[in-house]
Amino acid sequence: EAQVTQNPRYLITVTGKKLTVTCSQNMNHEYMSWYRQDPGLGLRQIYYSMNVEVTDKGDVPEGYKVSRKEKRNFPLILESPSPNQTSLYFCASSPRARGRRTEAFFGQGTRLTVV
Amino acid sequence: QQQVKQSPQSLIVQKGGISIINCAYENTAFDYFPWYQQFPGKGPALLIAIRPDVSEKKEGRFTISFNKSAKQFSLHIMDSQPGDSATYFCAARERTYKYIFGTGTRLKVLA
Repeated sequence: EAQVTQNPRYLITVTGKKLTVTCSQNMNHEYMSWYRQDPGLGLRQIYYSMNVEVTDKGDVPEGYKVSRKEKRNFPLILESPSPNQTSLYFCASSPRARGRRTEAFFGQGTRLTVV
Repeated sequence: QQQVKQSPQSLIVQKGGISIINCAYENTAFDYFPWYQQFPGKGPALLIAIRPDVSEKKEGRFTISFNKSAKQFSLHIMDSQPGDSATYFCAARERTYKYIFGTGTRLKVLA
């Protein structure tokens, strides 16, 4: 089954404690990205990756890091989380192709609370 | 700077009615316009999509209308059902494969 898997689904942490949210896809997609979803603001892109070892900032990258060492994995790292990073996070992947199936597939989401 | 503007923010429709959600964009380089449906506790999932060389696309009860000159596109849900109650996002894709999403519309269909 084609899917994007995020872990954990729920996380409560304290300010300043480094954390990593993992994301893995099994569709051999080149393009992966992270979004945060906040009420009234929709989905805002944090970082994206066009392929292995190629990453770039999205619209709200401050306070986040990513890496893409393997094609299937794209972890999101919060080196020193702050309460304003409390949000619902989604990982997504899509193929780098312009055929019929070019949709972005989303994970189930990670609800992060920073206290 | 919001490149894709979506309205309304919320919508209440009677069962059997038509739900209409509108989006407007600014960047003429966008080449793909999907609509995503999101149920509580789930990630967004593709509902229907259109390319800018087509003015309308219909899949079952869902239709996208696309007006390239006005830089607007809309989602029409015919014969709306309570099971359609969800949040809907329009999006536009740049040639770099980056997606820009609207702010979302929370639809509630009353039984």
